[in-house]
Amino acid sequence: SSELTQDPAVSVALGQTVRITCQGDSLRSYYASWYQQKPGQAPVLVIYGKNNRPSGIPDRFSGSSSGNTASLTITGAQAEDEADYYCNSRDSSGNHHVVFGGGTKLTVL
Amino acid sequence: QVQLVESGGGLVKPGGSLRLSCAASGFTFSDYYMSWIRQAPGKGLEWVSYISSSSSYTNYADSVKGRFTISRDNAKNSLYLQMNSLRAEDTAVYYCARGNGVATVSDYWGQGTLVTVSS
Repeated sequence: SSELTQDPAVSVALGQTVRITCQGDSLRSYYASWYQQKPGQAPVLVIYGKNNRPSGIPDRFSGSSSGNTASLTITGAQAEDEADYYCNSRDSSGNHHVVFGGGTKLTVL
Repeated sequence: QVQLVESGGGLVKPGGSLRLSCAASGFTFSDYYMSWIRQAPGKGLEWVSYISSSSSYTNYADSVKGRFTISRDNAKNSLYLQMNSLRAEDTAVYYCARGNGVATVSDYWGQGTLVTVSS
């Protein structure tokens, strides 16, 4: 079982705002990173650190954190944002392991 | 541009071994942590292992510790994963990924190589 918990599925109307969350004890101490994965493709990093976007990632993607919950917000969701989204961080065991959330399937209606 | 190309996947019997390779280009390989991350068919991402830039530090998921060994050759810009005592549950696409400052942030990923463990 994952130490980071994500909702399995979320939907959003085209052009609206959606928040995808990730919960876990380790997020009280470490930032989450967020990855987008489309069918048949490798994951792509979209958010890391406090709220950093790699080059080429649209500014409609943003990240935030509060307590044990990290959030990925897409402001003005586009059809091409339909994908699986995964969070990851360090685990809370002290082993310096990396842990991924179970993923959230985002549907853009 | 950054490129990561995995190879070495295939069909192997339970208990068998396989060595994956990842050829890196477009960046100074020796400056970065590198990781292996896998994805079973229809499932989510699972971290497997990472290695520091100089190979001085490695770490493994509990599910593979003692069976898998990560290594790198900075002179050849290559990352490796030696997989022994393979089990059916190791069946997955294996991705190599570059660490962005820390092992938990993977900023570039290869396209993956499929490992199937079946009799």
